[in-house]
Amino acid sequence: GAVVSQHPSWVICKSGTSVKIECRSLDFQATTMFWYRQFPKQSLMLMATSNEGSKATYEQGVEKDKFLINHASLTLSTLTVTSAHPEDSSFYICSARVLESSYNEQFFGPGTRLTVL
Amino acid sequence: AQSVTQPDIHITVSEGASLELRCNYSYGATPYLFWYVQSPGQGLQLLLKYFSGDTLVQGIKGFEAEFKRSQSSFNLRKPSVHWSDAAEYFCAVRPNQAGTALIFGKGTTLSVSS
Repeated sequence: GAVVSQHPSWVICKSGTSVKIECRSLDFQATTMFWYRQFPKQSLMLMATSNEGSKATYEQGVEKDKFLINHASLTLSTLTVTSAHPEDSSFYICSARVLESSYNEQFFGPGTRLTVL
Repeated sequence: AQSVTQPDIHITVSEGASLELRCNYSYGATPYLFWYVQSPGQGLQLLLKYFSGDTLVQGIKGFEAEFKRSQSSFNLRKPSVHWSDAAEYFCAVRPNQAGTALIFGKGTTLSVSS
């Protein structure tokens, strides 16, 4: 199956700093990438949908100025958590949709665990 | 409103016993349906998926799921549970529309007792 990678797999940062998380589709092109957030013992909540070359669409309640998403190419999307605070500590998971798939399958990355001190 | 419901928050089964995890969805048309498993601190692993065709779907690790349109359900089953199956299980759906993301249920935690 298609492989999606995320980097870093975990990161610890100080409150007030910014953190960038990369999501790459390794062996396929992805027109659309999704970013999810998962708090401990909770489900995955969709944060935003990004399409290559256009602005991301954010879900209700997600601050677009805090969670900057850039989808610069068909294989790379980045999520930058700006001015991170302890409440932003979470597991961030990206997902990429296969361009040629008739069912528009979505493949998930392994996740990035962010801890803000 | 569109939704995915996993009625059971936590289930405990004995090793070797059968398992059924429930999932119900609320959409106008038949969505695409998925089951994922997540071990503590890990990412998601796809167990199986249903797009169309045969309503009984076979997945990895001995899991299967049956789509029942009349009940808007997609329950996950396994005939004999192993201790290594203890994990968090998520049902997910995607409306049969281009551009939409997977929506996840709240998950069911499976514990396996010896």
